[in-house]
Order: sequence, then structure tokens, then C-alpha cells
Amino acid sequence: DGGITQSPKYLFRKEGQNVTLSCEQNLNHDAMYWYRQDPGQGLRLIYYSQIVNDFQKGDIAEGYSVSREKKESFPLTVTSAQKNPTAFYLCASSINSNQPQHFGDGTRLSIL
Amino acid sequence: AQRVTQPEKLLSVFKGAPVELKCNYSYSGSPELFWYVQYSRQRLQLLLRHISRESIKGFTADLNKGETSFHLKKPFAQEEDSAMYYCALKVGSQGNLIFGKGTKLSVKP
Repeated sequence: DGGITQSPKYLFRKEGQNVTLSCEQNLNHDAMYWYRQDPGQGLRLIYYSQIVNDFQKGDIAEGYSVSREKKESFPLTVTSAQKNPTAFYLCASSINSNQPQHFGDGTRLSIL
Repeated sequence: AQRVTQPEKLLSVFKGAPVELKCNYSYSGSPELFWYVQYSRQRLQLLLRHISRESIKGFTADLNKGETSFHLKKPFAQEEDSAMYYCALKVGSQGNLIFGKGTKLSVKP
């Protein structure tokens, strides 16, 4: 869906640094989600937000933080506390929790 | 425990052959299941949703609560069906999805 934009496509981080991944949508969707995908694994939920100024931890939230100050934006910060941050990160959104999720192109994060 | 299992990492068939991608789930509530597909160099996209009971690109999937399965089927595979397929289970009221590990479908000419 052209309405969900993740940037950058590739991101490199030094050990001990925090890094923020951007996710923007112009679909007027209330719900937004962050997933992590590792090789040979399915997607695992990091954080989700059903509405502005509210978000909840997913299954693997440790070492990550998010904010939802605007409806269209749901940035994910990978902190230095995340011990194995190298992965492919996918952002998704949906009209509400009852509707299917639509995904962005993803950001690939690597540690230098 | 809530879980989605896709037993096959890779499924290889010839063009025109029937294809079935298996998905089993474990969930104590009323399940809502999806199939997502990712073609090469494209983003993950919704293929099917069980409550819609529709056929997309010739694919169908029926929820079998007795066998806790939601297998994806197509009677005649095409080369353009080659992709990564993920089965997903919606859990709770928040819309959260649990994904299987995916099956790579390769359709040979």
C-alpha cells in the first residue's frame, strides 16, 4: 500500500547507539503496529497502538520504545538495551482492530 | 498457548499442479485467520481472510475448527504464485496477529 511509508530502507547502527525507525501512513488508520522479522521466523509483534497517545507492548517489547503523538506517525526506537537488533522491521496499520493490517516495505537494521 | 504452525518451509510444485499450503493453529478463543503473501521485492499483502470466504487469485482457504486448520489451496498453480506465504491468527480484541514462520512456494515451469 502506497499509504504506509517506512524510512529508511536500510539502517546501520553502532554498538551502544539508539536508532529510530520511521513509519508514516496517510490512510487515516487508527491502529498501527511494529513487527520484527528474523530469517526463518514469522513476524513477531513489538508494539502496537490503537489510538493516538496510547500504545501497548507486544510479545518482544524489551529494548524498544515507541510514541504515537500523531495519528499518522508511529516511530520505533531501537535502544542500546536491545541485545540483538539486527533484523527486518515491518510497520503495519489498519482502520481499526477489526480490519486487516496493511504493511509497509520494511526497514533492514544492521549493526556495524 | 496461542500458536500458528506452518509445517513446510518450502513447497515446490510444477505449473498446473494443485497446491496446498498447510496452516494449523492453537487458540482457545474464536479464531480469525488470514493468509498473507509476499512476492519477490514486494511488500507483505493480505491474500485471504477466512470470514470473507472469498477466492483471491484462485486461492481458497477453509477454516476447519475440528482440525484447527486453515490450509490454503489452489487447484492449478501458476508460476506467478511463487512467493512467501504466511498464515496469521488474530488474537484478542486489539487486532494483534500471530504469524506462522511462513512457507516458500516455488512453482516450476
